[in-house]
Amino acid sequence: GAGVSQSPRYKVAKRGQDVALRCDPISGHVSLFWYQQALGQGPEFLTYFQNEAQLDKSGLPSDRFFAERPEGSVSTLKIQRTQQEDSAVYLCASSLDGWPSYEQYFGPGTRLTVT
Amino acid sequence: AQSVAQPEDQVNVAEGNPLTVKCTYSVSGNPYLFWYVQYPNRGLQFLLKYITGDNLVKGSYGFEAEFNKSQTSFHLKKPSALVSDSALYFCAVRDRSGGGNKLTFGTGTQLKVEL
Repeated sequence: GAGVSQSPRYKVAKRGQDVALRCDPISGHVSLFWYQQALGQGPEFLTYFQNEAQLDKSGLPSDRFFAERPEGSVSTLKIQRTQQEDSAVYLCASSLDGWPSYEQYFGPGTRLTVT
Repeated sequence: AQSVAQPEDQVNVAEGNPLTVKCTYSVSGNPYLFWYVQYPNRGLQFLLKYITGDNLVKGSYGFEAEFNKSQTSFHLKKPSALVSDSALYFCAVRDRSGGGNKLTFGTGTQLKVEL
């Protein structure tokens, strides 16, 4: 079946521009996660949704970062007024249920470069 | 707080030899532990997880991992390495009590299997 998909795969933004990154989770997956992966590092948690409810946004680095999942399926991560330090790969993951023992399935990521 | 350490940036192994990729963790309670593999320009792929029960966990592609509570370790192993196993490997942990649903990842270990 189809896995997690993300678009665009690559995004170049000029400093100060707003960007929107899209995630399509696996159909039927309740939980959705966003991670940020800097070059040479492991993914770092940004935020978590269970259905349409954003239950944890403790990892969002600033108020320029905003995520939504209005209908409990597709999610969008928005970054306003991008800065060079926002350059990273943004990974989306979904899991079948909110139970912590379930593994997460990751999309290919969106590589954001801020110039 | 939960954390993961992968002490080796790179592991080199000859094809056909056994491989070990090390991981130690820190949680306040009991852990859920995961291994993921990342190929270039692709998302993370789930390999295996430890939830409870048998300390030796078997996963995809012939990989296995051993949970050692006293040493707080979850090393990834494979009896006979293949060149196609060359990739970036991440260990991740969730604290069962109070960690929420987010995964905390290590910095990754690059595995290189040579002929």
